[in-house]
Amino acid sequence: QVQLQESGPGRVKSSETLSLTCTVSGGAISSYYWSWIRQPAGKGLEWIGRVYPSGSTNYNPSLKSRVTMSIDTSKNQFSLKLNSLTAADTAVYYCARFQGYCSNTYCQKYFDLWGRGTLVTVSS
Amino acid sequence: SSELTQDPAVSVALGQTVRITCQGDSLRNYFPSWYRQRPGQAPLLVIYAKNNRPSGVPDRFSASTSGNTAFLTITGAQAEDEADYYCNCRDSSADHWVFGGGTKLTVL
Repeated sequence: QVQLQESGPGRVKSSETLSLTCTVSGGAISSYYWSWIRQPAGKGLEWIGRVYPSGSTNYNPSLKSRVTMSIDTSKNQFSLKLNSLTAADTAVYYCARFQGYCSNTYCQKYFDLWGRGTLVTVSS
Repeated sequence: SSELTQDPAVSVALGQTVRITCQGDSLRNYFPSWYRQRPGQAPLLVIYAKNNRPSGVPDRFSASTSGNTAFLTITGAQAEDEADYYCNCRDSSADHWVFGGGTKLTVL
């Protein structure tokens, strides 16, 4: 079955750039949107953004100025870059498949598969 | 921008029915999806597309909406349902998605 695995540094310095990669195994990365979501310790989930195999992206307005997402279909991977880090960016970062469903009257998108998450700590 | 509001905590007696709410203007236009998150685990999709359950999710989970409020109902709550529950929905005005703050469900 399709599985997602995040990878990247567990600790990054304040003001630097975080780079994370999500590797998709067991299925093709094409034909789906893919997302990053994060969760500070003890807090709720925050959608960061989504990327499509064409390279098209949408970002959370609160993070848009600092986020870049990209996708490499040849490697079945997609990536997140978040710059100008502060302690507030310390969180577990999840990658997820952003699935779509349409009926006769509506369409909806939802996160049907998730990676296990990777903890990123921003230190000064 | 759009916000989704959830009660921080709800409790239910074992075997009873509990309803978890999610409020927000975007719910007037879009159905939310719902996720369960147990401690130390990644979130798990439990409801999508109005009221559909992924394979493996028990049929005691159901969803509905009314106006700007969405409901996740667990009929006959079990001990393993104790977890945090999040709603998620598209923002009405743009191509981005928002999570509710989450509801911690305690099964007594």
